[in-house]
Amino acid sequence: AQSVSQHNHHVILSEAASLELGCNYSYGGTVNLFWYVQYPGQHLQLLLKYFSGDPLVKGIKGFEAEFIKSKFSFNLRKPSVQWSDTAEYFCAVKSSGNYGQNFVFGPGTRLSVLP
Amino acid sequence: DGGITQSPKYLFRKEGQNVTLSCEQNLNHDAMYWYRQDPGQGLRLIYYSQIVNDFQKGDIAEGYSVSREKKESFPLTVTSAQKNPTAFYLCASSIGRTGELFFGEGSRLTVL
Repeated sequence: AQSVSQHNHHVILSEAASLELGCNYSYGGTVNLFWYVQYPGQHLQLLLKYFSGDPLVKGIKGFEAEFIKSKFSFNLRKPSVQWSDTAEYFCAVKSSGNYGQNFVFGPGTRLSVLP
Repeated sequence: DGGITQSPKYLFRKEGQNVTLSCEQNLNHDAMYWYRQDPGQGLRLIYYSQIVNDFQKGDIAEGYSVSREKKESFPLTVTSAQKNPTAFYLCASSIGRTGELFFGEGSRLTVL
């Protein structure tokens, strides 16, 4: 069975600090990878996704993620965080070519950015 | 605007009562899903439907039921058999096999 782990439960940063949120998954086949964000009081929205091609993926709001197949990792990065990045971040994995019922979500990482 | 509408946003119920959460989408997506979100556990799949009049159990279907009579609607009933129903419930949809999920704003159910 697939599983997704996220390295940190809660990360606290000051504005302008750099961010890296770890995500590792276990699955032997081809996968699609996602990062979703949930801002306070808002719905989950897609930050970025990887299906194939360049393993360095750029998303919205200055976020990027790198897929390292050999490490089964898909870490999220941002060079300089803002107070508005305060949110919960979820890494998710899906078997490539399958419907969404195969999504497996990580437990989430709560990011608090101090002004 | 296209999107997914969930209602109600907040719901309180007494133990032993069934409650139905509404989910409507106007994205013309074929597939719809219900997830349960608990702190520190991520999202867990309750039920999903790939097509009208068909649905499948997810990982934690016990104590829940669904119907899919129309493409745009996928209501979830939390029955009295669900032992720990207090949670945040998320409805989602996706188009075909691309699998990217689009989410509603969620319904928070509290059992008193």
